[in-house]
Amino acid sequence: EDKVVQSPLSLVVHEGDTVTLNCSYEVTNFRSLLWYKQEKKAPTFLFMLTSSGIEKKSGRLSSILDKKELSSILNITATQTGDSAIYLCAVTSGTYKYIFGTGTRLKVLA
Amino acid sequence: DTGVSQDPRHKITKRGQNVTFRCDPISEHNRLYWYRQTLGQGPEFLTYFQNEAQLEKSRLLSDRFSAERPKGSFSTLEIQRTEQGDSAMYLCASSREGSGSYEQYFGPGTRLTVT
Repeated sequence: EDKVVQSPLSLVVHEGDTVTLNCSYEVTNFRSLLWYKQEKKAPTFLFMLTSSGIEKKSGRLSSILDKKELSSILNITATQTGDSAIYLCAVTSGTYKYIFGTGTRLKVLA
Repeated sequence: DTGVSQDPRHKITKRGQNVTFRCDPISEHNRLYWYRQTLGQGPEFLTYFQNEAQLEKSRLLSDRFSAERPKGSFSTLEIQRTEQGDSAMYLCASSREGSGSYEQYFGPGTRLTVT
């Protein structure tokens, strides 16, 4: 059965800290791995990683895909209170199947 | 607003009643997904449409759930004889086949409370 596991489940840090969120997966016919940020609403897209694009960066956020280890990390540097959210990892299997992890709840304290 | 829209945003219903939710995807998106999300969990796949064809339906979806996408545009999700366990956020997402990206765009969700 396809599955995506995220760790830690929750994390509390102080502003300015750097955090690393983990996502591991077991899926058949892997196509891509996506990271989303979810505040009190629907998930918003952050990054997509594929075999041809294993590293992405946007501002203070960066992500790397390790296809050998079947995992990905999401790094957030110099965290701000606005980074407080649930971070979801999803993996696509085949052309249209998305499997989501349970998410990591990040709280950044001022 | 050209994003994914869902209606209603909130629904409170009594156990045993039927409810119907609507999703309007981004106009050029031919793929449409329904997910259910409960507290502390990630979105759980319910069903998938490519144009008007329902290509996959989760085994977790009982026969009380049905979805349609007539004419390949908006979609409806109906839950018959609701149960308290159906209380959740129902999310709709859309994407475009052939865009080279697997990015899905999510709607704001419909929060269902069954009393």
